[in-house]
Amino acid sequence: EADIYQTPRYLVIGTGKKITLECSQTMGHDKMYWYQQDPGMELHLIHYSYGVNSTEKGDLSSESTVSRIRTEHFPLTLESARPSQTSQYLCASSEPGPHEKLFFGSGTQLSVL
Amino acid sequence: AQRVTQPEKLLSVFKGAPVELKCNYSYSGSPELFWYVQYSRQRLQLLLRHISRESIKGFTADLNKGETSFHLKKPFAQEEDSAMYYCALNPGANNLFFGTGTRLTVIP
Repeated sequence: EADIYQTPRYLVIGTGKKITLECSQTMGHDKMYWYQQDPGMELHLIHYSYGVNSTEKGDLSSESTVSRIRTEHFPLTLESARPSQTSQYLCASSEPGPHEKLFFGSGTQLSVL
Repeated sequence: AQRVTQPEKLLSVFKGAPVELKCNYSYSGSPELFWYVQYSRQRLQLLLRHISRESIKGFTADLNKGETSFHLKKPFAQEEDSAMYYCALNPGANNLFFGTGTRLTVIP
């Protein structure tokens, strides 16, 4: 079934740890996105990709990196996690075309202690 | 700069009553506007987009360029409409700007 998957759903880690949040989609979409959302706040785009080997930073500065080696896979890495990065991270992909509809994953709730 | 404002964090209405979730935007060009919804324990998903001029689950939204608004309306609220609603603006770049969301509760 075509879908977008995020793992883990919840993660608690210590400061300074390196972590990778996984995102995979089987929808055949070229465009993929990572959003960050703090409670009661807007979703902010932190990274996006047009396709393989394409990655761009979004409007919110984030000390994280992404890679796009395969169309279906768009992992987000925090090299040295900080408490300020405690947040919900949402992965999304979109249909081609100008009026694109975003399909979201279930999200990863990250807590950095 | 692009901005989306949803003035109400919380909105409660009785079942069968009309509901209006407000959204105002600031953008100098021709906006593309969307409403996304997140039901309890479900993912964020598209509800409707202004370009389609559609009614989804009884909801409609009209773009008012003069008032820079894109309010979401439904004449008779149902309990299953209880959810978090986000207004979003696409300025034509590769980003959707989201509002802070409104939590709608429909009281039985």
